[in-house]
Amino acid sequence: GQNIDQPTEMTATEGAIVQINCTYQTSGFNGLFWYQQHAGEAPTFLSYNVLDGLEEKGRFSSFLSRSKGYSYLLLKELQMKDSASYLCAVKDSNYQLIWGAGTKLIIKP
Amino acid sequence: GAGVSQTPSNKVTEKGKYVELRCDPISGHTALYWYRQSLGQGPEFLIYFQGTGAADDSGLPNDRFFAVRPEGSVSTLKIQRTERGDSAVYLCASSLYASDSYEQYFGPGTRLTVT
Repeated sequence: GQNIDQPTEMTATEGAIVQINCTYQTSGFNGLFWYQQHAGEAPTFLSYNVLDGLEEKGRFSSFLSRSKGYSYLLLKELQMKDSASYLCAVKDSNYQLIWGAGTKLIIKP
Repeated sequence: GAGVSQTPSNKVTEKGKYVELRCDPISGHTALYWYRQSLGQGPEFLIYFQGTGAADDSGLPNDRFFAVRPEGSVSTLKIQRTERGDSAVYLCASSLYASDSYEQYFGPGTRLTVT
């Protein structure tokens, strides 16, 4: 079966750095996406990785290792507004997005 | 430009009733997706359209669920004989194309409550 695993909840301090891990087992791979979802709102796109390595976009970076079935999202200089759920999703061989359950990130002052 | 819109934003219905949920994708987007999301879970895939045709409907839980996109733009998700277990937020997303790197843009969702 297809599976995406990520931690249920993480806590970090304002101004710090946090890394959210995601491991996946899917039938085929056509890229990995990270989305942010604030409570009661729709998911919004953060990043896309299809090749191994690090993609940096401002305070957010995303890393992919296809051989290990592993990705992480790195958030730097955390702000209170970064409190949200972070969803990892993999596009499989049918171009269907398979979603993890999300990691709830709590930022403390 | 306008994003993905969904109507209604909230729908409360009685068990056994029929409901229709509407999605207006971003203009020009060829791919349209329906998901449902329960609290504390990621989106669960239901169906996706490429143009007017359902390219993959493997996520529809049973034959009470049906979706159409007759003109390749607006889509309607139809649920017959609703059950309490159908209660969830139904999300619609669209992307320029289905393949590869094209990100999906989500609408605000319809919160369906079956009493």
